[in-house]
Amino acid sequence: QVQLQESGPGLVKPSETLSLTCTVSGGSVDGYYWKWIRQPAGKGLEWIGRIYPSGRTNYNASLKSRVTMSLDTSKSQFSLKLRSVTAADTAVYYCARGAENYYYYYGMDVWGQGTTVTVSS
Amino acid sequence: DIQMTQSPSSVSASVGDRVTITCRASQGIRSWVAWYQQKSGKAPKLLIIGASSLQSGVPSRFSGSGSGTDFTLTISSLQPEDFATYYCQQADTLPVTFGGGTKVEIK
Repeated sequence: QVQLQESGPGLVKPSETLSLTCTVSGGSVDGYYWKWIRQPAGKGLEWIGRIYPSGRTNYNASLKSRVTMSLDTSKSQFSLKLRSVTAADTAVYYCARGAENYYYYYGMDVWGQGTTVTVSS
Repeated sequence: DIQMTQSPSSVSASVGDRVTITCRASQGIRSWVAWYQQKSGKAPKLLIIGASSLQSGVPSRFSGSGSGTDFTLTISSLQPEDFATYYCQQADTLPVTFGGGTKVEIK
């Protein structure tokens, strides 16, 4: 079945760029939205944004000025870059798969295990 | 952004109890509502889509209902493996937003 695995540095310095990659295995990236969600320790879930294989992206407006997502279909990987990080960006970062069409939303049915990113000097 | 107000924030219950969690949207939305279960240290797991459709493999003791602004997740007979935190989520309007979570604890 489809599996997702996040990878990237666990420690990022303030003002630098957080870079994470999610590798998709066991299935195709075509036809799905690929998403990033984060969760600060002991808190709720925050949607960061999504990318479609066409390259179309949607970002949370609260982070939009600092976020860039990309997708490499040849490698079945998608990536997140979050610039100018602060301690408030410390969280567990999840990648996830989602699907929807004009009529129906199918939820986020496959998630990575999550990777903890700490912003600290 | 559409706010999803989830209640209660925590509930203590015993095995076999019926548990109901509610989520209120800040404005009327389509039934583009999903519910997730998250156990400590794990990624969320999708339970329900379309406000009321059970995801494949999810036990039938879980059910969802609602429309407009009010949505509900019900666990008909709580099992030991159901102790976890539950989140509602709307995808009617971007950005996708989640409720604050309901922690179901052992009484």
